[in-house]
Amino acid sequence: QKEVEQDPGPLSVPEGAIVSLNCTYSNSAFQYFMWYRQYSRKGPELLMYTYSSGNKEDGRFTAQVDKSSKYISLFIRDSQPSDSATYLCAMKGTGFQKLVFGTGTRLLVSP
Amino acid sequence: GAVVSQHPSWVICKSGTSVKIECRSLDFQATTMFWYRQFPKQSLMLMATSNEGSKATYEQGVEKDKFLINHASLTLSTLTVTSAHPEDSSFYICSASPGAYNSPLHFGNGTRLTVT
Repeated sequence: QKEVEQDPGPLSVPEGAIVSLNCTYSNSAFQYFMWYRQYSRKGPELLMYTYSSGNKEDGRFTAQVDKSSKYISLFIRDSQPSDSATYLCAMKGTGFQKLVFGTGTRLLVSP
Repeated sequence: GAVVSQHPSWVICKSGTSVKIECRSLDFQATTMFWYRQFPKQSLMLMATSNEGSKATYEQGVEKDKFLINHASLTLSTLTVTSAHPEDSSFYICSASPGAYNSPLHFGNGTRLTVT
């Protein structure tokens, strides 16, 4: 079993839809959770960074962490074609520990 | 803020030659940088941790003599792929964090290496 599980997609939605992206994990020591967006042939871009459980909102993006269920989500409101990319979840424990990535979910937003 | 610059963005080289990739933190100092490799439609695989002023730490299965890492200053780390072979063709990405260990990583835009 992988430490972090993420559906590779692709997830296809029409413009304006609410998108829900999710990751599950098995390591209860993970405390820091990140979402990255990666366009084709580019490096990952940090979207959201949260610590422990709870919600965090930034513009059209909302990140949720449920540590009791070992489940994290990224919601995108009013999705745009420019949101079409691969979304990677990543997480780590405290201190100098490696960042563990999900495999990424490819999102396609059609006009 | 927290910009990581990587150069070149793509490179083509002949089998047997060496290629150097540079990673710079533009607006912060980074005592630690990380080098990743990404195959098509796959996630990032950590290759090594680059430590300023000391030897890099390589992940299991990564050949340290093939992937030479130098972190000579607080803003520059280099990855040299020595005696490149076609199977080394991949997307190499560096990252760094402007803060403490628990700060999020910021990534460069990657280098696409093609070995012919």
